[in-house]
Amino acid sequence: SQKIEQNSEALNIQEGKTATLTCNYTNYSPAYLQWYRQDPGRGPVFLLLIRENEKEKRKERLKVTFDTTLKQSLFHITASQPADSATYLCARDRGSTLGRLYFGRGTQLTVWP
Amino acid sequence: EAQVTQNPRYLITVTGKKLTVTCSQNMNHEYMSWYRQDPGLGLRQIYYSMNVEVTDKGDVPEGYKVSRKEKRNFPLILESPSPNQTSLYFCASTVGDTQYFGPGTRLTVL
Repeated sequence: SQKIEQNSEALNIQEGKTATLTCNYTNYSPAYLQWYRQDPGRGPVFLLLIRENEKEKRKERLKVTFDTTLKQSLFHITASQPADSATYLCARDRGSTLGRLYFGRGTQLTVWP
Repeated sequence: EAQVTQNPRYLITVTGKKLTVTCSQNMNHEYMSWYRQDPGLGLRQIYYSMNVEVTDKGDVPEGYKVSRKEKRNFPLILESPSPNQTSLYFCASTVGDTQYFGPGTRLTVL
C-alpha cells in the first residue's frame, strides 16, 4: 500500500532554532506532498504543497523540500517561536483520484522559550 | 469568509442510537470528505463525495453512511453507533489539491 510515515512523534526545540520535521513515503513517488498544522482539538490547516518536480518551496519562515531519491520531504521552520508549537501532518496524493490523500500520523512540535 | 462548519462539536450518545453529524461549506466546492482521527492511527478517510449525488467509500466506511443532496452539505450518519466509533471526526472540503477542514466533532459512544 502507498504509505506515508512521519518517524518522529515529537520534537522539542528551543525558541529561535530551526525545527526540521521529516516525512518519508514508500512505493511510487507522489505527484505532490502537503504539510498541515493541527492545534489540539482543532482541524488541520493547510500550510504548503510541493510538487514532484519542485525541489524546494518557501513561505515566510517555512520551507519544504522534496527529494525523490531519498523518498523524503523535509519541513523546516526557521527562527521558531513558542506559537509554532503544534502537530504537523504530512500528506500525499493517492494517484489519479482527485482530492484523496494519505496522511501521516503527525509530529508534535514543542518550542520552548 | 471561507468556512467549513460542523455540528455538533461535542456529542455523547449511547450504543445503537442513530445520530447525524452535519457538515456545510460555503466555498461551492464539489469535493468533500469525512475523516476520523484516533490516537496513533492518524487521519483516516471514511467517505468522500465528488459532487452532488456522487459518493464513495474511503478507507474505513463500515458503520457509516453519507448523503450529498446539495453541494454545500455532506452529513455523516451513524445508524447504530458502537463504542469503537468513539473518535474525533473532521469534515473537509477540497479545491484543487488543498483540503479545508472543519473544526471537528468529538463523539463518545457509551
